[in-house]
Amino acid sequence: KNEVEQSPQNLTAQEGEFITINCSYSVGISALHWLQQHPGGGIVSLFMLSSGKKKHGRLIATINIQEKHSSLHITASHPRDSAVYICALHDKVIFGPGTSLSVIP
Amino acid sequence: DAGVIQSPRHEVTEMGQEVTLRCKPISGHNSLFWYRQTMMRGLELLIYFNNNVPIDDSGMPEDRFSAKMPNASFSTLKIQPSEPRDSAVYFCASSVRGTAGEQYFGPGTRLTVT
Repeated sequence: KNEVEQSPQNLTAQEGEFITINCSYSVGISALHWLQQHPGGGIVSLFMLSSGKKKHGRLIATINIQEKHSSLHITASHPRDSAVYICALHDKVIFGPGTSLSVIP
Repeated sequence: DAGVIQSPRHEVTEMGQEVTLRCKPISGHNSLFWYRQTMMRGLELLIYFNNNVPIDDSGMPEDRFSAKMPNASFSTLKIQPSEPRDSAVYFCASSVRGTAGEQYFGPGTRLTVT
């Protein structure tokens, strides 16, 4: 079993939809990282969180350390949100397989 | 700040040749990470340094790979000899607090070994 799993693997949404990407992991960690990788390949850090919730613009990330689960939400999605979203475990530096998001106008 | 700088951005080489990838971390960051990304395996940690000292190199595939960090502002990842299966995008990232800190990624080097 992989230590980090993400769902869905691929996601297509209409512009304006509310999007949720999930990350589940099987090892104990102190923090988790959400990354965004655009079609050009560049990787951008979105959030690092160890508890509760963080919000930045239209992006919201939540984590439950005890349940070993994190979610990334995008409100009012836009085509420029199209990217691969990757969760990464701190401490052990393990990456999830990524969720490929495509937002259609 | 210019962010993490990597060079070259693209490298095409023939099997058997030596390849050297370079990284300049963000000034003031004391940790540097080398990653490899392939379609099959996603992102993988190869090695990371704290204060120029290698801390975890368990992700380095084999002896053909070596990494150095001679000072706080420069690191190299060398592959000798290169093989087609080394073709991937290699990312460098830096942070202020090792694996506990937020990491800032460079643009990556796309390596193609023919």
